[in-house]
Amino acid sequence: DIQMTQSPSTLSASVGDTVTITCRASQSINTWLAWYQQKPGRAPKLLIYKASTLQSGVPSRFSGSGSGTEFTLTISSLQADDFATYHCQRYNNHPYTFGQGTKLESK
Amino acid sequence: EVQMVESGGGLIRPGGSLRLSCAASGFTISSNYMSWVRQAPGKGLEWVSLIYSGGTTFYADSVKGRFAVSRDNSKNTLFLQMNSLRVEDTAVYFCATAKTVPGLFENWGQGTLVTVSS
Repeated sequence: DIQMTQSPSTLSASVGDTVTITCRASQSINTWLAWYQQKPGRAPKLLIYKASTLQSGVPSRFSGSGSGTEFTLTISSLQADDFATYHCQRYNNHPYTFGQGTKLESK
Repeated sequence: EVQMVESGGGLIRPGGSLRLSCAASGFTISSNYMSWVRQAPGKGLEWVSLIYSGGTTFYADSVKGRFAVSRDNSKNTLFLQMNSLRVEDTAVYFCATAKTVPGLFENWGQGTLVTVSS
């Protein structure tokens, strides 16, 4: 199975900062990559799909890039509501696999 | 509005069985790809199973032969029958739906907690 590895596991930042999270696939997945945001006790929420396409209703400060095996999620001008855990996921075929998650916490 | 509500979780002994339900509204589950995804306490997300609109099913290796996904179209409800439960099956179980690509989870339920412990 294709493994997904996120870094860092934890990221400390302040409101207004720009942060980047990286996700690497163990083999090429083209652009079959999604990003989800999850807050404590809540379900994940789809933010980005096809590596860089913003889901409807997601603020434009979120952006994604990459293809093949390396991908990034960038959050510009961090807002208080953005502190959460972020998961990448490949969805080219099953078994669909997720990264281990990156917790974005307030510095 | 798309909404999914899971139920059926609880505390169960190792080796026991449990059936989870996911009641959907705002869309028709038989016209969508429906999955179960779980999250062990403090851990990441793990895809568990998928049912296509045509009824074909797929499972993660970790649950193959023990879990079965099904649906009741008349009740617009998805099920996950879990047998031979193990301690490592302890997790919050989410149902999730995809419209165009089977593994792209556009909407999620709030989850139900399954605890397998003696």
